[in-house]
Amino acid sequence: AQTVTQSQPEMSVQEAETVTLSCTYDTSENNYYLFWYKQPPSRQMILVIRQEAYKQQNATENRFSVNFQKAAKSFSLKISDSQLGDTAMYFCAFSPDNTDKLIFGTGTRLQVFP
Amino acid sequence: GAVVSQHPSRVICKSGTSVKIECRSLDFQATTMFWYRQFPKKSLMLMATSNEGSKATYEQGVEKDKFLINHASLTLSTLTVTSAHPEDSSFYICSASRTSDYNEQFFGPGTRLTVL
Repeated sequence: AQTVTQSQPEMSVQEAETVTLSCTYDTSENNYYLFWYKQPPSRQMILVIRQEAYKQQNATENRFSVNFQKAAKSFSLKISDSQLGDTAMYFCAFSPDNTDKLIFGTGTRLQVFP
Repeated sequence: GAVVSQHPSRVICKSGTSVKIECRSLDFQATTMFWYRQFPKKSLMLMATSNEGSKATYEQGVEKDKFLINHASLTLSTLTVTSAHPEDSSFYICSASRTSDYNEQFFGPGTRLTVL
C-alpha cells in the first residue's frame, strides 16, 4: 500500500527563521508526483510546491524548496525567511503517475511566532 | 486560473434530511473531481472520485447510497448526503484536476455540514 508519513504533528519557528518539515512515503512505483499543500485557518487548500519523481533537481518556489531523496523516499519542505502568514497546516501528498488520486499525510501544524 | 467553488460554504440541517453540496470548476474543464471529508485537526480522507458522465468510484468504507455523487458536466459535481445524521457532521472538500496539470488538484473552499 502507498502511504505518506509526516512525523512532526506540530512545529514552531520564529519569524524570519528557517524551518524544515519532514515527509516520507512508501511506494513501489517509479513514476509519481509529490506535493506540499498548505491549509491556513480559512481551510482553503493551497498548493505550495510540486515535484515530479523523474526530475532529480529539487523544486523551488520563492521561499519554499524541497529536498527530494528518491532512494530514501523522503520529501522534506524547507521554508526560508518564515512569515506570520505561513502559519498553517502543511500536508505532504503523493500521487502515482497512472492516477489523479492524492494520498495525504497526517499533516504538520506550523506556527510562526513574531 | 484553475478556480474551484463550492456551495454552500456552511449548512445546518436536521437529522433525517438530505443535503446537496455543489462543486464547480469556474475557469476550466475538470477531467476528474474528488470529494474529501476532513475531521477537525485531521487530514483529508478521500471519499470518492468522479468523472463526467460515469458512476463515481467510492473508497473502501464509504457508503455510496449515503453519499450520492453526480457528475453531470465537466464543470459540475454534486455530493448529496442522504438522510443525514449527526455523525455525518464534518468538513467536506471537493477538488478538480485536468489532464495537463501533472496530477495537481485544485481545491474548493470546503463546506461545513452540521447535522442537529
